[in-house]
Amino acid sequence: QKEVEQDPGPLSVPEGAIVSLNCTYSNSAFQYFMWYRQYSRKGPELLMYTYSSGNKEDGRFTAQVDKSSKYISLFIRDSQPSDSATYLCATRGVGAGSYQLTFGKGTKLSVIP
Amino acid sequence: EAGVTQSPTHLIKTRGQQVTLRCSPISGHTSVYWYQQALGLGLQFLLWYDEGEERNRGNFPPRFSGRQFPNYSSELNVNALELEDSALYLCAGRAGGRTYEQYFGPGTRLTVT
Repeated sequence: QKEVEQDPGPLSVPEGAIVSLNCTYSNSAFQYFMWYRQYSRKGPELLMYTYSSGNKEDGRFTAQVDKSSKYISLFIRDSQPSDSATYLCATRGVGAGSYQLTFGKGTKLSVIP
Repeated sequence: EAGVTQSPTHLIKTRGQQVTLRCSPISGHTSVYWYQQALGLGLQFLLWYDEGEERNRGNFPPRFSGRQFPNYSSELNVNALELEDSALYLCAGRAGGRTYEQYFGPGTRLTVT
């Protein structure tokens, strides 16, 4: 079993829709959870991060972590065509040996005008 | 502030050849991570350098190696190239200490024929 599982999509939604992106993970040692956005032919850019369980909101984006079920989510409200990209979930543990990130495969999102 | 830079942007090599990829993190960032993003596999951690030392490596053979220079720039070397080494190679920098955020460069697209 891969440590972080993510449905690769593709996911296509109309402009203005609410988008839900999800990942599951298997390693209980993971404590930090991140979402990256990657546009075509670009490097990933950090969108959101959360530590342990809970919700975090930033504008149209909400990141949610449920450690009891090992489930992480990213919600995008009022989706825009500029949100069309691949979204990658990532996790890492704590401690000096755990700073590298473990990524899901990414979900490709298209927002149709 | 200049972002993370990588060179070259793309290159084509033949099986069995050797390649060197370069990365310069954001000024002041002392840690450099290398990731491989192969089609269908997602980002996989390759190597982590911090303060000139290799701190951790992912599940890759020894023909993947690298180093970090005193100015914190880094290079990734791949010997005896194989077809499956074709991928986008991403480097990310991180400020020292307990900071979590990794800033990615645009990547180097390597094609092995």
